Amino acid sequence: DAKTTQPPSMDCAEGRAANLPCNHSTISGNEYVYWYRQIHSQGPQYIIHGLKNNETNEMASLIITEDRKSSTLILPHATLRDTAVYYCIVSPQNDKLIFGQGTTLQVKP
Amino acid sequence: GAGVSQTPSNKVTEKGKYVELRCDPISGHTALYWYRQSLGQGPEFLIYFQGTGAADDSGLPNDRFFAVRPEGSVSTLKIQRTERGDSAVYLCASSLMVGSYEQYFGPGTRLTVT
Repeated sequence: DAKTTQPPSMDCAEGRAANLPCNHSTISGNEYVYWYRQIHSQGPQYIIHGLKNNETNEMASLIITEDRKSSTLILPHATLRDTAVYYCIVSPQNDKLIFGQGTTLQVKP
Repeated sequence: GAGVSQTPSNKVTEKGKYVELRCDPISGHTALYWYRQSLGQGPEFLIYFQGTGAADDSGLPNDRFFAVRPEGSVSTLKIQRTERGDSAVYLCASSLMVGSYEQYFGPGTRLTVT
């Protein structure tokens, strides 16, 4: 079973920030938080990962709470092309990914 | 550069038949993963190769499913005596083992068992 809990769906207005929450209260010390997304009919795409510290790349920012029991993925300026299912996964490095149901993000014009 | 490729993109077969699904990982990637995704669900882990050997096959549902990676590059997922419940999208991913966190996914093979 997935070790994360995400809301099933969220809406966001185009151009606004999308904040996607994830709970992972049973995360182990050697597990990273990964975010992937899956656009309709495509394979999942890696977005970002983190261990303890907040991370930012060209796609998104990842905020991890100090106790590591939850995190938030931030898409700073959502576009229509960001409409997808977003998966939050906790896993050791170089290991299988256990996907949950994810959050379906709908970006609306 | 070339990404992960999977062939065929679609496969329709009759119940009871044998099928093979192929995955070509990114060149130089030593780790290779197979997942399957049923409609409306997240991908489900099947098996993971490190080089030529299966490092973790705990996700294979039963002994009708088998995968090989004889030369540490291309992998084939083999399903014997297919059942209608095997219908799904079969996804392959690859990654570097050292210093990498990202799995690169292929587009998947849609298997339909009639």
